[in-house]
Amino acid sequence: GAVVSQHPSWVICKSGTSVKIECRSLDFQATTMFWYRQFPKQSLMLMATSNEGSKATYEQGVEKDKFLINHASLTLSTLTVTSAHPEDSSFYICSASPTGVDQPQHFGDGTRLSIL
Amino acid sequence: GQQLNQSPQSMFIQEGEDVSMNCTSSSIFNTWLWYKQDPGEGPVLLIALYKAGELTSNGRLTAQFGITRKDSFLNISASIPSDVGIYFCAGQKFGSARQLTFGSGTQLTVLP
Repeated sequence: GAVVSQHPSWVICKSGTSVKIECRSLDFQATTMFWYRQFPKQSLMLMATSNEGSKATYEQGVEKDKFLINHASLTLSTLTVTSAHPEDSSFYICSASPTGVDQPQHFGDGTRLSIL
Repeated sequence: GQQLNQSPQSMFIQEGEDVSMNCTSSSIFNTWLWYKQDPGEGPVLLIALYKAGELTSNGRLTAQFGITRKDSFLNISASIPSDVGIYFCAGQKFGSARQLTFGSGTQLTVLP
């Protein structure tokens, strides 16, 4: 149980394009999901907390207008990278956990974003 | 953002050897988690620890939640080639909306 699915796994697009990444909890409901960014050989850095039915909470230094987050249902959160540029190229990963005490975060398989 | 102090940064070991890595923090965490990440994939949960002093095993893996709540270690016994990957510790604070703070990772290489 506790499977998190992320789509697409890899996307290559031209500079200026907007890219949407989906994160789904397949067998549980998640009121909160998290979006991370990871550069090569580095740890995961939290970008934002996605809250079902309300606005996302962004970490310091993350542009909310650049990284749009929508959490319209208890099983789906989306991250849209707007007007992407080469410096936005990275590995983006989402996570979620079932509600309840002592429920760990489970991660999606990540999305490799390459902006040409 | 804040990161946990994870060591060692990398390890090269012979197949069959035991491995130990740890994470420390200057602040208290209520949950410690250990994940393994393979190239191009998301982290996979190995062990979750919820109580100070807790010692938990998962096959050849053993992890402990430090009694001070500021540290945790992960041991891997009798390493095999598929143990290769990056291991991350992560801490979660009570009332943090389940946000995780990650260690910098330990890159494990197992030599045949």
